Amino acid sequence: SAVISQKPSRDICQRGTSLTIQCQVDSQVTMMFWYRQQPGQSLTLIATANQGSEATYESGFVIDKFPISRPNLTFSTLTVSNMSPEDSSIYLCSAGDRGVYTDTQYFGPGTRLTVL
Amino acid sequence: AQKVTQAQTEISVVEKEDVTLDCVYETRDTTYYLFWYKQPPSGELVFLIRRNSFDEQNEISGRYSWNFQKSTSSFNFTITASQVVDSAVYFCALSAGGGADGLTFGKGTHLIIQP
Repeated sequence: SAVISQKPSRDICQRGTSLTIQCQVDSQVTMMFWYRQQPGQSLTLIATANQGSEATYESGFVIDKFPISRPNLTFSTLTVSNMSPEDSSIYLCSAGDRGVYTDTQYFGPGTRLTVL
Repeated sequence: AQKVTQAQTEISVVEKEDVTLDCVYETRDTTYYLFWYKQPPSGELVFLIRRNSFDEQNEISGRYSWNFQKSTSSFNFTITASQVVDSAVYFCALSAGGGADGLTFGKGTHLIIQP
């Protein structure tokens, strides 16, 4: 199974600022994803981080607000831009692959963001 | 569109009782994948199981078992002889492309095991 780390683990930010979250996988993976988990809620897919091309965003999420980079097969960043208190959430990255024995998706520990 | 329904918001049982968490899904895909994850109070999401739509065999792993029934679009999860360490939020999820596709999650079931 893939081991995924995220930095920072948590942060408290001021309204109007931006935060970049890093996600590192210990092996090369085909797919990386970013999810948001609002307080007491389920996980919602923000976007698929595509290596070497623009991310694919889900309905309700836009690149200007959540720019994503994926420079290689083991690393991705998510930026939460111009933050407001409504952005207070846990942000999780995940890594997945397609294959007979590896066809699952593992998650990082999450970044707990509080916006004041 | 895909949808996952976990109707049980919260379940509370006494330790050693058996408990079943329900998951009902909707999809138009003929091939799809179902997942269960555990989220303990620490917040990390722990993978429990993945099941393909073409494999309806039930699975048992220790005290955990899963019942997949395509006829009722359900993928239920049973914990036998529950323990306090099983206390967590459990999520059922669905994707069209297995681990290589974004997951659609249910709202989760908060399981409380009382000593």
